[in-house]
Amino acid sequence: QVQLVESGGGVVQPGRSLRLSCAASGFTFSSYGMHWVRQAPGKGLEWVAVISYDGNNKYYVDSVKGRFSISRDNSKNTLYLQMSSLRAEDTAVYYCAKDPLIYSYGYGHVDYWGQGTLVTVSS
Amino acid sequence: EIVMTQSPATLSVSPGERATLSCRASQSVRSNLAWYQQKPGQAPRLLIYGASTRATGIPARFSGSGSGTEFTLTISSLQSEDFALYYCQQYNNWPPWTFGQGTKVEIK
Repeated sequence: QVQLVESGGGVVQPGRSLRLSCAASGFTFSSYGMHWVRQAPGKGLEWVAVISYDGNNKYYVDSVKGRFSISRDNSKNTLYLQMSSLRAEDTAVYYCAKDPLIYSYGYGHVDYWGQGTLVTVSS
Repeated sequence: EIVMTQSPATLSVSPGERATLSCRASQSVRSNLAWYQQKPGQAPRLLIYGASTRATGIPARFSGSGSGTEFTLTISSLQSEDFALYYCQQYNNWPPWTFGQGTKVEIK
């Protein structure tokens, strides 16, 4: 069965950096696009970034452009989110999520979600 | 950016009753609309995609309808495990992928 396990969250000071990881199993990781979606405490879901199956195609929500970078290592079945210049408003649970489209530069909904990792930006 | 608006914010329903949740898009998203369920402390779970196709393992009491800008999620007979938050999401015009603000289904 599909499993997505995030790690790397924690408390970080404003302006600092943090890298999140997502270990994938139960499917052919290298065949699917992957997303990061976040949820601030008590708030709704916000899409953050997506990366194509081969890593060559990436998109970001405007609020993180230039600060966050999504990447993947298909040899390790792992997705990453490098976050820099962190702000208080980046405080959220970050979910790793799988796209259902195979070998595509087009993307769809999310068919599987990880359990999330909490990032708290505070001095 | 397409704005997704869900209504109502909170829906109070008795167990066994029908629940009808609405989602409106600021412009047409054709049938590229998904619904997710989220329980406290848990990740979201896919219920419906393509506006009306149930995801694997989702009970038949969940149904989705609509296209264009107006969508509905119906839970035909609410079970105790269905009291949760529900989000719609469009994946027609991206980036960004956008979610509604959520509807909380609570016990009446």
